[in-house]
Amino acid sequence: EVQLVESGGGLVQPGRSLKLSCAASGFTFSNYYMAWVRQAPKKGLEWVATISTSGSRTYYPDSVKGRFTISRDNAKSSLYLQMNSLKSEDTATYYCARKTAAAHYFDYWGQGVMVTVSS
Amino acid sequence: DIQMTQSPASLSASLGETVSIECLASEGISNDLAWYQQKSGKSPQLLIYAASRLQDGVPSRFSGSGSGTRYSLKISGMQPEDEADYFCQQSYKYPWTFGGGTKLELK
Repeated sequence: EVQLVESGGGLVQPGRSLKLSCAASGFTFSNYYMAWVRQAPKKGLEWVATISTSGSRTYYPDSVKGRFTISRDNAKSSLYLQMNSLKSEDTATYYCARKTAAAHYFDYWGQGVMVTVSS
Repeated sequence: DIQMTQSPASLSASLGETVSIECLASEGISNDLAWYQQKSGKSPQLLIYAASRLQDGVPSRFSGSGSGTRYSLKISGMQPEDEADYFCQQSYKYPWTFGGGTKLELK
């Protein structure tokens, strides 16, 4: 059974940093692109970052480019999101998601971890 | 960026009723579209991909159609467990973008 379990969320002040982790199991982690998707309270979904199987290629929307860094450790079947210079508008539930093998959709999602940026 | 406009924002359906939700892309997306269901307090689940392909394990009452800029999700026979938020997502171009969502409630 595919499982994605996020951790590392919490309350952080504006301008500070936070690192999220996602532990994957139930599939061959190194064979799949992985991603982070967020959802602000009572709002829609926003794609945040994607990383290739080897970690050599990463993709971000302009809203987080230069502030967030996605990375992975295939030996540990783990995905990470380093978030720097956090803003109040980064407040959201962050989901770790597996990208489908053949296309750019997300077929498995974690339960999500809440990040609150506030002073 | 490609804007995805979903409609309606909310709707209410009776048991067994057929429901349609639409997604309009700001430019052609060549069927690179997915639909997700998100139940209250849960993470999203993939229902439909490539505009019309049913994800494994999803009930056959769900179907997707469309082309170019217009796409729709149909539920043929509303069930209590279908009460949820529904989102479309385009994967034609970066940044991948989602529609604003449709809240579906049982009448």
